[in-house]
Amino acid sequence: SQTIHQWPATLVQPVGSPLSLECTVEGTSNPNLYWYRQAAGRGLQLLFYSVGIGQISSEVPQNLSASRPQDRQFILSSKKLLLSDSGFYLCAWSPPQVYEQYFGPGTRLTVT
Amino acid sequence: AQSVAQPEDQVNVAEGNPLTVKCTYSVSGNPYLFWYVQYPNRGLQFLLKYITGDNLVKGSYGFEAEFNKSQTSFHLKKPSALVSDSALYFCAVRDGGTGGFKTIFGAGTRLFVKA
Repeated sequence: SQTIHQWPATLVQPVGSPLSLECTVEGTSNPNLYWYRQAAGRGLQLLFYSVGIGQISSEVPQNLSASRPQDRQFILSSKKLLLSDSGFYLCAWSPPQVYEQYFGPGTRLTVT
Repeated sequence: AQSVAQPEDQVNVAEGNPLTVKCTYSVSGNPYLFWYVQYPNRGLQFLLKYITGDNLVKGSYGFEAEFNKSQTSFHLKKPSALVSDSALYFCAVRDGGTGGFKTIFGAGTRLFVKA
């Protein structure tokens, strides 16, 4: 069966520090991958999605970036965090030609 | 552009009573519609979807949803609520006509089921 992992679960970082959040999917190949941010326990904002290695589409201009160095690995990064980057970051995947998404457990990021 | 609205910020229901969580959508092409549930400090879990076919779709944990094209709605329902159903529910839509990958999520409706 397929599983999705995210780490770390919780992160506290100072303003101006770098960020790296990792997401990996097991038990599937060529998944579509997504990064979302959820603020204040409410709606989800799509940040990036990827349909293949090295293929990244950005939905919202900001100081975050994403990379997909391997088929089942999706990384969210920042060179310098802002206070406004605080939130709950969710990675999700979907099999090709399947429309629903399956979410990881999330990373709670607090920028201080 | 696609959009989805969940008009109720919160829904309160007594255990054993039927529940409805409302959702309306807007897309230019064919709507692909979804419901997800989120428990505190967890990721979202997929409940059910409508892509095509029967307007009444059944999903996990006894939930069902009815697609109404004329009213552009996709309300989530359950005949008998459980306390354990208390959670945050998200409706989502994807434009099936564009072939794109973007899914738009509603703001969420918090469901409280009282014992």
